[in-house]
Amino acid sequence: DGGITQSPKYLFRKEGQNVTLSCEQNLNHDAMYWYRQDPGQGLRLIYYSQIVNDFQKGDIAEGYSVSREKKESFPLTVTSAQKNPTAFYLCASSIVGYTLSEAFFGQGTRLTVV
Amino acid sequence: SQQGEEDPQALSIQEGENATMNCSYKTSINNLQWYRQNSGRGLVHLILIRSNEREKHSGRLRVTLDTSKKSSSLLITASRAADTASYFCATDAMDSSYKLIFGSGTRLLVRP
Repeated sequence: DGGITQSPKYLFRKEGQNVTLSCEQNLNHDAMYWYRQDPGQGLRLIYYSQIVNDFQKGDIAEGYSVSREKKESFPLTVTSAQKNPTAFYLCASSIVGYTLSEAFFGQGTRLTVV
Repeated sequence: SQQGEEDPQALSIQEGENATMNCSYKTSINNLQWYRQNSGRGLVHLILIRSNEREKHSGRLRVTLDTSKKSSSLLITASRAADTASYFCATDAMDSSYKLIFGSGTRLLVRP
């Protein structure tokens, strides 16, 4: 089945550690996105990528890094520079034409700092 | 900053009633999309309305778009308990950035 997969579902990080969240899609979509969601809040854009080997910062990129070496994969690293990383992280993908089509979301990764 | 702001932030209605949620945005757009999120899950796409469209229907959903007021509304008719979720609008800005920006969401509770 086609879809977008995030792993792990739950992740615990110690202070000062870097952690990497995985996002894989087999929908052949060009665009991929990472969002952060805090409790009871909307989604804030961290990074996005329209094409392999290219990505742009969103509204809250500080303390995060990404790579896009393959069309199917867009991993997000939460670095120790991110002071408040506890949140729900959502990855999405969409077709890029003249405009954006609907986005497909993964089931999310809940990151907790311990 | 978030492009869209939803109103109300929370809405509680009785099963069978209609639910209306509003979204306002700041910049010119190519299209506006509505999504649903069940608690602790990913988002699911509901409907997309293009900037040259004024109204769109899908089952019990009706979406309107007023580009002069930079606003959209989502109407869910004959609501069911299973409609309980958070609803978000998202905009594809007309700036060739190809990024999808979400609003703050409306939490809908449908009481049986």
